[in-house]
Amino acid sequence: DTEVTQTPKHLVMGMTNKKSLKCEQHMGHRAMYWYKQKAKKPPELMFVYSYEKLSINESVPSRFSPECPNSSLLNLHLHALQPEDSALYLCASSQGATTPPTDTQYFGPGTRLTVL
Amino acid sequence: ILNVEQSPQSLHVQEGDSTNFTCSFPSSNFYALHWYRWETAKSPEALFVMTLNGDEKKKGRISATLNTKEGYSYLYIKGSQPEDSATYLCAFLYNQGGKLIFGQGTELSVKP
Repeated sequence: DTEVTQTPKHLVMGMTNKKSLKCEQHMGHRAMYWYKQKAKKPPELMFVYSYEKLSINESVPSRFSPECPNSSLLNLHLHALQPEDSALYLCASSQGATTPPTDTQYFGPGTRLTVL
Repeated sequence: ILNVEQSPQSLHVQEGDSTNFTCSFPSSNFYALHWYRWETAKSPEALFVMTLNGDEKKKGRISATLNTKEGYSYLYIKGSQPEDSATYLCAFLYNQGGKLIFGQGTELSVKP
């Protein structure tokens, strides 16, 4: 199984809502990533978890809160978002055996988020 | 500021044509160069991870070369097929951060 799954596929939320994005992999990977991609722009790294510990936070606003409850799951909790946070949110995982991780990253299909 | 440039931004070819794209990246602090293929509404798919200067990798009709001294990588597709239509992204990993920096991609359209 080389699949990374993400739910939901689409999410529309208001600025006062609280919602969560979920990412799951069953490849035994120990590194997991959240990326944000705005239209016509390259994906930008938000967070990296290595062995279930947050190892990189790219100065992401606190309205985005990541969580890694176990080695297979990665969540992104959203609260009080702004319309400019509307984007495609991609999750990825890799074996994470090296530092920095040079191994292949396997991506999910993304969650398309719209903030009204 | 680390910058990864890809050219061309888009490319339209006929089925059977061979094509190539360029990825330019900083030549200092190099650690690895990744290539991904991303079809609309699907997950980005890893093609290659290249780490050594002079590396050449091949997967079917797709191949890639790497020059870390001058900071570029080429991706070649031989005999393009309509199913090759996708955006091809390269991503640079530098040795100080563990963070992949993506280029904007080359959007390839192959007409039957």
